[in-house]
Amino acid sequence: EDQVTQSPEALRLQEGESSSLNCSYTVSGLRGLFWYRQDPGKGPEFLFTLYSAGEEKEKERLKATLTKKESFLHITAPKPEDSATYLCAVPIIQGAQKLVFGQGTRLTINP
Amino acid sequence: GAGVSQSPRYKVAKRGQDVALRCDPISGHVSLFWYQQALGQGPEFLTYFQNEAQLDKSGLPSDRFFAERPEGSVSTLKIQRTQQEDSAVYLCASSARRLAGETQYFGPGTRLLVL
Repeated sequence: EDQVTQSPEALRLQEGESSSLNCSYTVSGLRGLFWYRQDPGKGPEFLFTLYSAGEEKEKERLKATLTKKESFLHITAPKPEDSATYLCAVPIIQGAQKLVFGQGTRLTINP
Repeated sequence: GAGVSQSPRYKVAKRGQDVALRCDPISGHVSLFWYQQALGQGPEFLTYFQNEAQLDKSGLPSDRFFAERPEGSVSTLKIQRTQQEDSAVYLCASSARRLAGETQYFGPGTRLLVL
């Protein structure tokens, strides 16, 4: 069964304290892995797509990496405005290109 | 350019009422998806359209849920005889093409509360 699992469920950091979020997946024939950010009361906002093991992408204080079994979202010197829920998802190609999401990691950055 | 828009943003319904949720995808986007998001969970797939054709409705939880996209643009998700377990955020997403792994862009969601 195709599954996506994120850890930890919640993470509290001090401003400037770097850390990583994990997304592990079991899916046959990976066709990309997506990271989204979701603020309270809003829809998911696209961050990155990774397509192959070893690929890395960066955006401001965020860097996403991908291996054959998992992806990491590294957050370097975070600021309070980085507080959000971070979701990862993989597309399942069985009739539709639907996304299967993890449950998300709720990140809080304290000033 | 304009993103995906959804209306209403909030809907309160009495149990047994019918509701209709609207999605305006990004102009020209071929694919349109509906997801349901429970509190504290990731979105879960409901249904998928490619232009006006509904190619997958495997995620619709019951026959009370119905979706349409008659002209291949705007889509409506209808829930008949709402139940309390239908309370959730309903998200719409669109993508430019029909290719696997295409980025999906999400709207702000409609928060449905069934009393």
